[in-house]
Amino acid sequence: KNEVEQSPQNLTAQEGEFITINCSYSVGISALHWLQQHPGGGIVSLFMLSSGKKKHGRLIATINIQEKHSSLHITASHPRDSAVYICAVLPLLNFGNEKLTFGTGTRLTIIP
Amino acid sequence: NAGVTQTPKFQVLKTGQSMTLQCAQDMNHNSMYWYRQDPGMGLRLIYYSASEGTTDKGEVPNGYNVSRLNKREFSLRLESAAPSQTSVYFCASSGHAWRSYNEQFFGPGTRLTVL
Repeated sequence: KNEVEQSPQNLTAQEGEFITINCSYSVGISALHWLQQHPGGGIVSLFMLSSGKKKHGRLIATINIQEKHSSLHITASHPRDSAVYICAVLPLLNFGNEKLTFGTGTRLTIIP
Repeated sequence: NAGVTQTPKFQVLKTGQSMTLQCAQDMNHNSMYWYRQDPGMGLRLIYYSASEGTTDKGEVPNGYNVSRLNKREFSLRLESAAPSQTSVYFCASSGHAWRSYNEQFFGPGTRLTVL
């Protein structure tokens, strides 16, 4: 079993829909990252969080440390949001060495 | 600022050939990483460097060597390429290793095919 599980693996939605992508992990963590990988392959960091909730534009990330679960929400989705969204965790055992464990990603397609 | 740069962008090798993937960052980051990304699998850490002169194995180090030449540059070498090393390789960097939480900045990737 992978330490980081994402669901769904693939998601297709209409423009304007509210999107939720889930990430569950099985180890204690220091922090959780959400990354976006564009169709061209580039990877950018969206959020890094260790508790609560963060918001940036139409993107919202939440984390529940007790339940070992995080969600990434996209409001008013747009075709340019089409990408692979990757969850990664920094296990407590890796404190100080920054070795992340990655999920396999959720491929999001927004149809105009 | 260029951020994290990688060369080359694409490479085709024959089995047994060697090559070095280059990575440089201009953000004065202490930590640098080499990952590989394969279909259906998450990014996997090959090697990690917390600072100039130090390197540490990641999840999949076999068949690779690294060199942290200075604070800016971190190279990945394949001494004898194998078809199993066909993958997309990403270099990344992040801030100070002593901080708990550091955003990682990724390079554009190198698509390597070993025939």
